Amino acid sequence: EVQLVESGGGLVQPGRSLRLSCTASGFTFSDYAMSWFRQAPGKGLEWVGFIRSAALGGTTEFAASVKGRFTISRDDSKSIAYLQMDSLKIEDTAVYFCSRPLGWGKTENDWGQGTLVTVSS
Amino acid sequence: EIVLTQSPGTLSLSPGERATLSCRASQSVSRSQLAWYKQKPGQAPRLLIYGASNRAAGIPDRFSGSGSGSGTDFTLTISRLEPEDFAVYYCQHYVISPWTFGQGTKVEIK
Repeated sequence: EVQLVESGGGLVQPGRSLRLSCTASGFTFSDYAMSWFRQAPGKGLEWVGFIRSAALGGTTEFAASVKGRFTISRDDSKSIAYLQMDSLKIEDTAVYFCSRPLGWGKTENDWGQGTLVTVSS
Repeated sequence: EIVLTQSPGTLSLSPGERATLSCRASQSVSRSQLAWYKQKPGQAPRLLIYGASNRAAGIPDRFSGSGSGSGTDFTLTISRLEPEDFAVYYCQHYVISPWTFGQGTKVEIK
């Protein structure tokens, strides 16, 4: 059974940093890209970014709203994907989901339960 | 950026009725890299349809997806609404970065 478990959320002040982790199990982690999405309270879904598999270069892409502030990395030996969030803004407040995304010929799709990040002074 | 516009915003229907949800893209979504998700309050999204018309694993056949030849108009149809189908539905493209979602259609009990 595929499982994705996010951790690291919490309350943080504007301008500070936070790192989220996504621990995966039940599939060959290194074969897949991993993605982060978010959902602000009462709002719709927003893509944050993704990291390709090492076979595809391990490169990253980000939404314009977080580009230059957020980075994604992965540790294939531990089956963990990370979302490093720097210079946090109040508008970054959201539930953050990690996902094994569609794309690159893959048709499996799984999501974690989400972790809440609240940016407030 | 590909903008996805969903309609209607809210659909009020009774169990057993047919639901038709629309997703229009601002430019062609190549290779039909368009997905539909269902989300209930407090839960993560769940994939229903990928590649515009392919049901994900475990999704009942009352859910179907289709797309126009232009690659800009997509439809999710729920043939007979069950109580568990009342939720918010999102379309999403995964053609090229940035991936984007529609704003969602809420299917509520009439």
